[in-house]
Amino acid sequence: NAGVTQTPKFRVLKTGQSMTLLCAQDMNHEYMYWYRQDPGMGLRLIHYSVGEGTTAKGEVPDGYNVSRLKKQNFLLGLESAAPSQTSVYFCASSPRLGNSGNTIYFGEGSWLTVV
Amino acid sequence: DQQVKQNSPSLSVQEGRISILNCDYTNSMFDYFLWYKKYPAEGPTFLISISSIKDKNEDGRFTVFLNKSAKHLSLHIVPSQPGDSAVYFCAAVPMNRDDKIIFGKGTRLHILP
Repeated sequence: NAGVTQTPKFRVLKTGQSMTLLCAQDMNHEYMYWYRQDPGMGLRLIHYSVGEGTTAKGEVPDGYNVSRLKKQNFLLGLESAAPSQTSVYFCASSPRLGNSGNTIYFGEGSWLTVV
Repeated sequence: DQQVKQNSPSLSVQEGRISILNCDYTNSMFDYFLWYKKYPAEGPTFLISISSIKDKNEDGRFTVFLNKSAKHLSLHIVPSQPGDSAVYFCAAVPMNRDDKIIFGKGTRLHILP
């Protein structure tokens, strides 16, 4: 019962390095999301996707890129990491939300430190 | 501009008593609301939801109340248990935007023995 799986779980980067966080979901969900959580800031949406081949900007997209080449995968890239990107990153997926009784499912998080 | 507000960053409640977590929203176009619970080092998990056509939804010890005129919802946990200590996020989905969910900043609940 995998649900939403994120890799890696922990990573330390030097300023200026690049990396990619991988998210995979096995629930055949249309929508996928990347959030970051910082103390006192709650969950802030970075980018999201409403289907294979689509991406859209969220609340805090700067410094990140994403790709959704396959329905089950959603990749988050940092091209040139900065200390301000030190955070916990959560991937999530969902069917269509709306007033449907559906909900959004989260991965366990990826802890990223940029030094 | 924060559309979903949880004005209490933290709350302490005695075990066995009622915990009440509050959430206010500014956008009258929200028509579906959810509560999530998050333990340290884990992802948030869905707790309970409510549609805007209802004013109450109950699931075991958890009840969510919605007051549309006041743009306010609350989560009641009765009785509170030690395992309820966590961060609780309120979230809202706008009408006709089935790809968006907006979260509040969370309230940390401490259940005291």
